[in-house]
Amino acid sequence: GAGVSQSPSNKVTEKGKDVELRCDPISGHTALYWYRQSLGQGLEFLIYFQGNSAPDKSGLPSDRFSAERTGGSVSTLTIQRTQQEDSAVYLCASSDDWGRRTGELFFGEGSRLTVL
Amino acid sequence: GENVEQHPSTLSVQEGDSAVIKCTYSDSASNYFPWYKQELGKRPQLIIDIRSNVGEKKDQRIAVTLNKTAKHFSLHITETQPEDSAVYFCAADRDDKIIFGKGTRLHILP
Repeated sequence: GAGVSQSPSNKVTEKGKDVELRCDPISGHTALYWYRQSLGQGLEFLIYFQGNSAPDKSGLPSDRFSAERTGGSVSTLTIQRTQQEDSAVYLCASSDDWGRRTGELFFGEGSRLTVL
Repeated sequence: GENVEQHPSTLSVQEGDSAVIKCTYSDSASNYFPWYKQELGKRPQLIIDIRSNVGEKKDQRIAVTLNKTAKHFSLHITETQPEDSAVYFCAADRDDKIIFGKGTRLHILP
């Protein structure tokens, strides 16, 4: 595809349920990020994947959050036992910066999660 | 870890005036400082970036300055227009990942 694709675009769930959010990055991009944006808030770093290296999980807020990236492409962010404070827009971004320090991030449209 | 502080959180300027947004960072090893613009309901997009080997960079009405000694960098928008209304995020790199400030909501007043 031409850009970063995320699904679902909207997800409403009940407190305590598990949710999975999917990100399909731009083909060939080696770096993939997940950020969280709460209403009126900034872009909170969650996790970073770079090539085949171990992911940087330093931003995950609790052990209820996990993410994986299969085959260096598609990534899934899983939130277990959702809480109301997990309600936010979850943004995925990819970047082609392998071999360079950093590059432009291309964001998806985001997945809006509402926990009732 | 890297802390990126951004201010003001909200800024209102008259159309045609200039707007300045300031950021500070904590990691002296940071070398890359991008700025992203997020219009209402849309995804953030890169508008300008600067690397530590330069002190200033301009692109039409926007410019970014960097003071590595003081760990400050700023975004300057001149001759503001209605379409400049958005949330602006500064960011810095740390260990190859990008950490963002909390954003500045810019309002352009008619």
